[in-house]
Amino acid sequence: GQNIDQPTEMTATEGAIVQINCTYQTSGFNGLFWYQQHAGEAPTFLSYNVLDGLEEKGRFSSFLSRSKGYSYLLLKELQMKDSASYLCAVRGGNYQLIWGAGTKLIIKP
Amino acid sequence: ETGVTQTPRHLVMGMTNKKSLKCEQHLGHNAMYWYKQSAKKPLELMFVYSLEERVENNSVPSRFSPECPNSSHLFLHLHTLQPEDSALYLCASSQDYGTGGSEQYFGPGTRLTVT
Repeated sequence: GQNIDQPTEMTATEGAIVQINCTYQTSGFNGLFWYQQHAGEAPTFLSYNVLDGLEEKGRFSSFLSRSKGYSYLLLKELQMKDSASYLCAVRGGNYQLIWGAGTKLIIKP
Repeated sequence: ETGVTQTPRHLVMGMTNKKSLKCEQHLGHNAMYWYKQSAKKPLELMFVYSLEERVENNSVPSRFSPECPNSSHLFLHLHTLQPEDSALYLCASSQDYGTGGSEQYFGPGTRLTVT
């Protein structure tokens, strides 16, 4: 079967760094996405990885290892507004997106 | 402002009612999607339209009926729903369907409660 695993919830402190992991098992691979979703709002696109390595965008970075079926989202200099759910999604061999259940990130002062 | 709008934002309906959800995208995209989001569960893809043609229908009950009259509008017609259909219904669009890096843009969703 195809599945995506990510932690249900994480807590971090304002100003710190947090890493949210995502592991996947899919039939084929055509890219991995990270989305952010604040409570009661729409998911918004954060990053896309299709090749191994690290993609950096300001305070957010995303890493991919295709051989390990593994990705992480790294958030630096955490701010209270980063409190949200972070969704990992993989585009499988048939190009359909498979979604994880999301990681709820709680930021404490 | 994501460029994808949905109405209504909240909907309460009885099991015998008929209602419709509306989605409009202002991004010039070719693909549109309906998702169901339940608490602590992955997004469930319901329907996909590419260039106004339905390309995916993931075993969704017939009480949900999609309609795509043009590339900017998408409807989800609801009838004789069940309480377990209560969820957040999200509409999304992307430039194309089936291409690797085409990210999806989501609307704010309709919070549906079936009583």
